[in-house]
Amino acid sequence: DFVMTQSPDSLAVSLGERATINCKSSPSVLYTPDNKNYLAWYQQKPGQPPKVLFYWASTRESGVPDRFSGSGSGTDFTLTISSLQAEDVAVYYCQQYFTTPPSFGQGTKVEIK
Amino acid sequence: QVQVEQSGAEVKKPGASVKLSCKASGYSFTTYAMDWVRQAPGQGLEWMGRINVGNANTKYSQKFQGRVTITRDTSASTAYMELSSLTSEDTAVYYCATSRIRDHVDNVDWFDPWGQGTLVTVSS
Repeated sequence: DFVMTQSPDSLAVSLGERATINCKSSPSVLYTPDNKNYLAWYQQKPGQPPKVLFYWASTRESGVPDRFSGSGSGTDFTLTISSLQAEDVAVYYCQQYFTTPPSFGQGTKVEIK
Repeated sequence: QVQVEQSGAEVKKPGASVKLSCKASGYSFTTYAMDWVRQAPGQGLEWMGRINVGNANTKYSQKFQGRVTITRDTSASTAYMELSSLTSEDTAVYYCATSRIRDHVDNVDWFDPWGQGTLVTVSS
């Protein structure tokens, strides 16, 4: 099974500052025939279900603010919030959908410093 | 508007079974899959299983194999997840989530949308 490992487990960032979350997959989620990374990022706010932010590692879901960006390929991925806003406080998960069973990272909790 | 609506909270005793429902609307129910993911209190997301709504093929996590059954009623646009032999470790919020089927072995894409979740509490 694929193992997804996120770092850090939590981070506290000042309003307006950058937040960076890493996700490592083992093995790679890059499918070379179509050159796509089968990785999604989700945001989960307290008491709510997860909401997709990015798929194919870097394709932003409609309605997601452009201060959020997704990058990376193969085994190493990053979710960046360029200027943290109060409404971005949440737990963020990466997930591989390369194969079944799908697997999630353990989550990264983002708080305001 | 694509959405999935889950059934209400449940309280069960150890050893019992629970059957949750997930009603879809706003899209062609039979052309997608429905997965079930659970989240224990303060914990992460754990995949349980999937049904190809069109042909009723199912896939289950090895962890839950033999204890979980996912079914669907296409006439009601509803998927169901039954979990048996409950213990306190099964206390969690259970989510259903829709995804596009992308190949003949029922691999799917990302999950969107998710239901609102159903809290299952297992307590004597």
